[in-house]
Amino acid sequence: AQSVSQHNHHVILSEAASLELGCNYSYGGTVNLFWYVQYPGQHLQLLLKYFSGDPLVKGIKGFEAEFIKSKFSFNLRKPSVQWSDTAEYFCAVNARGSQGNLIFGKGTKLSVKP
Amino acid sequence: NAGVTQTPKFRILKIGQSMTLQCTQDMNHNYMYWYRQDPGMGLKLIYYSVGAGITDKGEVPNGYNVSRSTTEDFPLRLELAAPSQTSVYFCASSTGGYTEAFFGQGTRLTVV
Repeated sequence: AQSVSQHNHHVILSEAASLELGCNYSYGGTVNLFWYVQYPGQHLQLLLKYFSGDPLVKGIKGFEAEFIKSKFSFNLRKPSVQWSDTAEYFCAVNARGSQGNLIFGKGTKLSVKP
Repeated sequence: NAGVTQTPKFRILKIGQSMTLQCTQDMNHNYMYWYRQDPGMGLKLIYYSVGAGITDKGEVPNGYNVSRSTTEDFPLRLELAAPSQTSVYFCASSTGGYTEAFFGQGTRLTVV
């Protein structure tokens, strides 16, 4: 069965600090990979996605992620965080050719201190 | 475009009551999903549908039912509500396995 692990439950950073959130998945086949963000009290919004091609993908608001197939990882990065990045971040995968069902990690809560 | 719309936004139910969470999308997506989100647990798939008239169970279907009579609507029915169903429920839609899912605003349900 597929599973997704996010290493950090809660990350606290000061503004301008760099961010890296870890995500590892478990699945033997080909997957599509996603990072979603949930701002307080809001629904999930897509940050970025990887289907194929360049393993370094850029998303909205200055976020990027790198797919490392050999490590089954899809870590999220941002060089300099802002207070407005305070949110919960979810890594998700679905199996290529599936019904699109997303398997989510448990989420990482990011708090950015002004 | 409204995207995915869920109603109600909040609801308090008593144990044993039933209710229907409404979800409608205007993007003509064939695939629709219901997830529940519990603190520290991420999102778990309850049911999904690949088109009108076709539904299937997800990871946590017990205590829920769904129907899909049209492409636009995918209601989730709770029969005999239990405290364990206290959660935030998200409906989502997509064009299939090769695209991202779009989420509604969520329904916060409390069963007391």
